[in-house]
Formats: sequence, structure tokens, C-alpha cells
Amino acid sequence: QSVLTQPPSVSGAPGQRVTISCTGSSSNIGADFDVHWYQQLPGTAPKLLIYGNSNRPSGVPDRFSGSKSGTSASLAITGLQADDEADYYCQSYDNSLSGWVFGGGTKLTVL
Amino acid sequence: QVQLQESGPGLVKPSETLSLTCIVSGGSISSYHWTWIRQPPGKGLECMGNIYYSGNTNYNPSLKSRVTMSVDTSKNQFSLKLTSVTAADTAVYYCVRGQREGYFDPWGQGTLVTVSS
Repeated sequence: QSVLTQPPSVSGAPGQRVTISCTGSSSNIGADFDVHWYQQLPGTAPKLLIYGNSNRPSGVPDRFSGSKSGTSASLAITGLQADDEADYYCQSYDNSLSGWVFGGGTKLTVL
Repeated sequence: QVQLQESGPGLVKPSETLSLTCIVSGGSISSYHWTWIRQPPGKGLECMGNIYYSGNTNYNPSLKSRVTMSVDTSKNQFSLKLTSVTAADTAVYYCVRGQREGYFDPWGQGTLVTVSS
């Protein structure tokens, strides 16, 4: 049971837009801790995708965007491409656990 | 560009101690914090804890009694020891640089450690 809740899977056709939610609580996202997102392609290490709720590292396409509101955050991917198929994880800090926590991950399938 | 590389045995017997080292290249270990994150096969990510270059540590409460992390600034590397391992500790172990803003980047490629007799 992850501290941050993500849907196990989402899917979309090429070119479409999908969103992945990340729901936390008053001890993490709701306590104003930043949310970060990672993309894990099959068989590889996770890679930073979004940091500080909505910032993209250099090299990440602007098709990826993040937002945060209240105790939740979202990752949006527009113009879906086949190579976007991956697992996506959200991450934040939890002050009741005094540590960094991850969502359970969401598998994105491009139909 | 900072790169991290994990090394250590890929097979550990139950009840023994898992030991891994992460070599940091392309930058100094003497800043940031350095983290171990693991991922059981087919499952999600778990932050095991982190160590600052000063040697200060923070461990995941669920692992605290079994985890020890250390840093060797002269070798630009940091290490993980996990005692009394069981099959539940079988996972890919990643060493990662933790940023002040609370995110993790970059990641090592990961090393699979299997606990089995």
C-alpha cells in the first residue's frame, strides 16, 4: 500500500492526451511538499520527468506537464507516442513518516 | 555530467548481509545527499534512506534496524549494508543523487540482488 495513490494503468491512442493522478494526504502533498514525476521505460532505471510540481528538466519534451492542487497532483502527456509506453511514478515527502515516498506507479499503454 | 554505478554481489543467502557500493563519477560526492532506492521485481519504488556527505543519515523506519549507510569522500563513493536479508529483499537496488529540492536525479543503472540459498 503506497502512501501516494496512482491508478495502476492508463491507456490512450497515438496523438491523444492522457493524465495520471497522484493522490496524497495532509502529511505529504497537502503539506505543501513538492511532487516529482519519473518515467521508467521497460528494463531501465527511472528517469526524472517533472520536478517541483511542474518543471521539466532539460531534454524533456513539453508534451509532458505537471500540476498540483490540494492533496493531489497530475501528470499530463499530450500527443501520445509509442515510445511513451512506460511506468510513471510520482514522489513527494511525507512529514509523518519523515521520509520520501513514491506512488505505486502507473503503467501507460499506447494503443 | 554526474554518473552513478552500483556494484556488489548479485546473490546473497538468507540471513546474511547485503552489501553494495555506489561509485560517483563526473562530480564530487561532497554535496547533495545520496540515496538508495529499491524495486522488487514487478513492483514499485521504495526509498531505503539517504546519507549526506557529512555522514549524517536518515533511514526508512521500516528498514531502520537492518540498514547502515556510509560514505567515503576520498573514494567518491557511498555504500549500503542490509542485514538479515530474506527473499522479500530481492530487488533491483538503485543508487541515486538526492537534490535539495527533494527529487532524485541522476539514477544509477541499478543492480539486481537476489536473496536465495
